[in-house]
Amino acid sequence: NAGVTQTPKFRILKIGQSMTLQCTQDMNHNYMYWYRQDPGMGLKLIYYSVGAGITDKGEVPNGYNVSRSTTEDFPLRLELAAPSQTSVYFCASRSWTVATNEKLFFGSGTQLSVL
Amino acid sequence: QQPVQSPQAVILREGEDAVINCSSSKALYSVHWYRQKHGEAPVFLMILLKGGEQKGHEKISASFNEKKQQSSLYLTASQLSYSGTYFCGTEIAAGNKLTFGGGTRVLVKP
Repeated sequence: NAGVTQTPKFRILKIGQSMTLQCTQDMNHNYMYWYRQDPGMGLKLIYYSVGAGITDKGEVPNGYNVSRSTTEDFPLRLELAAPSQTSVYFCASRSWTVATNEKLFFGSGTQLSVL
Repeated sequence: QQPVQSPQAVILREGEDAVINCSSSKALYSVHWYRQKHGEAPVFLMILLKGGEQKGHEKISASFNEKKQQSSLYLTASQLSYSGTYFCGTEIAAGNKLTFGGGTRVLVKP
């Protein structure tokens, strides 16, 4: 059971470049999230999804896009990279129903530097 | 909507106790607690649902005061392994987005 898998683990981008951070989970979780964590700071919610085909903005969505075409995958797209997007990105998933409220399972993170 | 944690940092000697608070300006449906070690992903500690329940995990426990819109995490008889940054995450409604506080850095010294 792999859990939540993020790729790549590290990436350096030049200003203005684009890239997609990949996130896959094999636990059939309906909820998925993208957070960013700046050095020494807390987790900021970028986007989240409650199921395939449904996404919504979090606290800091500007400069990012997401899609959720399958239950397993939740890629995060950076279109025009800026130095302010230098951060560690965590993908997370969980199972949520009216009867259950379960913990987040986190991926190992992607360290992104924009130079 | 982001919860506020206090204190921002705490230094303990092994065996001492500490309390970390998590407050919200809105009514809460649930509170999650996670601990993060440097360079790692956050690790789950516990979830509390509205109803004022208290939960425990070894010598770490938490309470949820629905009326005060506040949760507290209690570190009892702290161990070196308790060092890390503790985050609370909150939902204001069932199935809503989960947002995190700024974290509380805990350092336990021998």
